[in-house]
Amino acid sequence: DTAVSQTPKYLVTQMGNDKSIKCEQNLGHDTMYWYKQDSKKFLKIMFSYNNKELIINETVPNRFSPKSPDKAHLNLHINSLELGDSAVYFCASSQNRDTRHSIVPQFFGSGTQLSVL
Amino acid sequence: AQSVTQLGSHVSVSEGALVLLRCNYSSSVPPYLFWYVQYPNQGLQLLLKYTTGATLVKGINGFEAEFKKSETSFHLTKPSAHMSDAAEYFCAVMTGTSYGKLTFGQGTILTVHP
Repeated sequence: DTAVSQTPKYLVTQMGNDKSIKCEQNLGHDTMYWYKQDSKKFLKIMFSYNNKELIINETVPNRFSPKSPDKAHLNLHINSLELGDSAVYFCASSQNRDTRHSIVPQFFGSGTQLSVL
Repeated sequence: AQSVTQLGSHVSVSEGALVLLRCNYSSSVPPYLFWYVQYPNQGLQLLLKYTTGATLVKGINGFEAEFKKSETSFHLTKPSAHMSDAAEYFCAVMTGTSYGKLTFGQGTILTVHP
């Protein structure tokens, strides 16, 4: 069973379009994340949700909006796609603990490669 | 701001040999440090973490890492490599003032040959 699954694996689209990436985890975790991997392979956090509540919101354009219908899902919607949005996007999850340093992703999905033409 | 540098994008070892993957960090406050592993066609998985307390931490699959503040390092080791250890390994840092916000290194691909 896949712990964290995200779809689609590949997404090719035109500039200006609106697209969504879906993420689901079957681990019963409380916290989910979205990361963006840039061309140098560095992973940068975009958002984090804990029990459907937004807890981390990095400096990300308003065109990016996370949606968490329940704690097992965290979808990423991107409006008016731009060339610079091309990257690999990773979803992740973790089990919340009482201490802050425990809130780190434990499992990541295998990534969605977004190409904006 | 924190940063992570992984020395060597590729490391190759023989089966049974010592594995040493290097990671140096930069942080203005005490860091929390992590190693993740990504096996082929899978997502990243947390291997081990250092937060407070003992500086030598043990993770899954026989890996361990030692936090050395004086050297700002958190190198990952395993005494004897196994073929199944072939994967890409990522070091990451987080600070107490920015919990949940991991900064990752660029990754090191470990190849294990017979």
